[in-house]
Formats: sequence, C-alpha cells, structure tokens
Amino acid sequence: SAVISQKPSRDICQRGTSLTIQCQVDSQVTMMFWYRQQPGQSLTLIATANQGSEATYESGFVIDKFPISRPNLTFSTLTVSNMSPEDSSIYLCSAEAGFSYNEQFFGPGTRLTVL
Amino acid sequence: KNEVEQSPQNLTAQEGEFITINCSYSVGISALHWLQQHPGGGIVSLFMLSSGKKKHGRLIATINIQEKHSSLHITASHPRDSAVYICAVRLGVYGGATNKLIFGTGTLLAVQP
Repeated sequence: SAVISQKPSRDICQRGTSLTIQCQVDSQVTMMFWYRQQPGQSLTLIATANQGSEATYESGFVIDKFPISRPNLTFSTLTVSNMSPEDSSIYLCSAEAGFSYNEQFFGPGTRLTVL
Repeated sequence: KNEVEQSPQNLTAQEGEFITINCSYSVGISALHWLQQHPGGGIVSLFMLSSGKKKHGRLIATINIQEKHSSLHITASHPRDSAVYICAVRLGVYGGATNKLIFGTGTLLAVQP
C-alpha cells in the first residue's frame, strides 16, 4: 500500500489569507486527487492533480481559488486562496497506485478553520 | 436522490454485536470501496470490491452487482470500531479509464462497552 502524509494537519486562518497544504506519498503513484469534506457532508472531489501539467478541476471548483501543483510522482500541493469561513473543511489528498489497480489510498486530512 | 445511499445514517451497538451497514447505488460502477473515517478526519481504505465477498479479520464486505447493493458487516464489534463508515463507488465499467469516485454520506457507528 501507499502511505500518504499531509501538512499541516490542522490550521486556523484569517479571512482573506491563503493556505498551502502539502501531500507526500511514500512511493510513486499514477494519480493524485484532492477532496474537500465540509462539516457533516461527504467527500467532494476538487481536482485531479496531474504531474507536470495543469490540474483537472471538477465542476464548481476553479484554479484561481484552488491552485494545485504536482511537480513529481510523489508530491502535490493544494492552495486555498482568499479564504472565507465557507472554506472551513477537511481537505484530503488521495492517490491511486499503479501497482494496485483502482485502489485509492487517503491521507490523514488537513482540518481548516477560517475565522 | 443521491447516486449512493447508505443506511443507517447512525448506528449504536453494544460491544460484541454483529453490525451491518448497507449501501445502494443507482449508477453503473466498476468497483465499490468501503472506507473508515475516524474523528480526526483521516480515511482508511477497508475494501475494494467488484464482485462477491471479501473478508479481513472481523470485517466482511459483500456486493451484489445485479441488485446494485453492498453490505459491510462487523462481527464481534468493539468500541475501537467506532467511526464513520463510507461507501464509495467508482463510475464506469471494469477496465475502463475513469477514476472518479462518488461517496455516500457515511454511517456513524458508535460501539458501547
């Protein structure tokens, strides 16, 4: 299996600021994803992080608000820009490893509170 | 109507009880995942199924593709099993290229000693 770590694990931020969340996988993976889980809700896919090219965003999510980088096969970042209280959520990174077809592994999540 | 429905939404059990959580879906899928989320937020993948049944320790997962239904069973439940259990389906047909998962809203399980 792939082990995924995220930094920070939690943060409290002020409205209007930005936060960058890092995701590190302990092995090379084919696909990486970013999810949001708003309080009391299920997970929603924000985007697929593509290595060496622009991320693929789901409907309702845009690059200006959630810029994503993936410089290599083991690392990705998600930035939550110009935050508002509505951005308070858990943000989860996940990865799909080529050696385990279709199995997804999840990171521990980043719990973000925006005041 | 959600594409993935779980029941029950909340479940309280006594230690040692046999627990069943159900998941129904309305779309064509290539696989179904059962996930466990603890209060801190992190998610652990328990099972990935495309047919039949899988067992891991005290956990058993089954899927009926024709009826579009899956169940997660916990035998001899323990307070450490307390968590949110989430069903997620992978869209498309087996062998297809899609990676998109659709998640159920989860079942909050509390096992009391």
